[in-house]
Amino acid sequence: SQTIHQWPATLVQPVGSPLSLECTVEGTSNPNLYWYRQAAGRGLQLLFYSIGIGQISSEVPQNLSASRPQDRQFILSSKKLLLSDSGFYLCAWKHLHGAGANVLTFGAGSRLTVL
Amino acid sequence: AQTVTQSQPEMSVQEAETVTLSCTYDTSESDYYLFWYKQPPSRQMILVIRQEAYKQQNATENRFSVNFQKAAKSFSLKISDSQLGDAAMYFCAWNMNYGGSQGNLIFGKGTKLSVKP
Repeated sequence: SQTIHQWPATLVQPVGSPLSLECTVEGTSNPNLYWYRQAAGRGLQLLFYSIGIGQISSEVPQNLSASRPQDRQFILSSKKLLLSDSGFYLCAWKHLHGAGANVLTFGAGSRLTVL
Repeated sequence: AQTVTQSQPEMSVQEAETVTLSCTYDTSESDYYLFWYKQPPSRQMILVIRQEAYKQQNATENRFSVNFQKAAKSFSLKISDSQLGDAAMYFCAWNMNYGGSQGNLIFGKGTKLSVKP
């Protein structure tokens, strides 16, 4: 069965420091991968998605970037964090075929606090 | 652009009772999917139920069922026999059926459901 891992679960970083959140998927190949952000009390905002290695689409211009160095690995990064980057970050992968087609399966999330 | 609207920021239900959460969406597409996701205090997003737009029959999943009104662009979630564990944020989401392409989910802002013992 497919599983998705996301880490770290919690992160407290000072303003101006770098960021790296990692997401990996097991049990599937060539998944569509997504990074969402959820600010406090708000819905989910799509940040990036990827349909393959090295293929990244950005939905919102911001201080963050994403990379997909391997088929089942998706990384969210920043060179210099801002206070506004605080939030809950969710990685997800999408089932493309079969009974679960178009369903997003989410990781457990990473809570980032920028001080 | 497609939008998803959840007009109830918060709802409350007595344990064992039934509650309905509302969702409307706006799209000019005809082939799409609709979802309800649950986010408990742990914040793990969990799929509750999925509806394919070309299917007229409303989806059901145990105590969860939907009322899908395609012409009205309405997609409500009914929770029967509410349990304490149903307390969570519930998000309605829309996704065009790209048939394997990148198609992204559009989420509503969520409804916070409280269950009273």
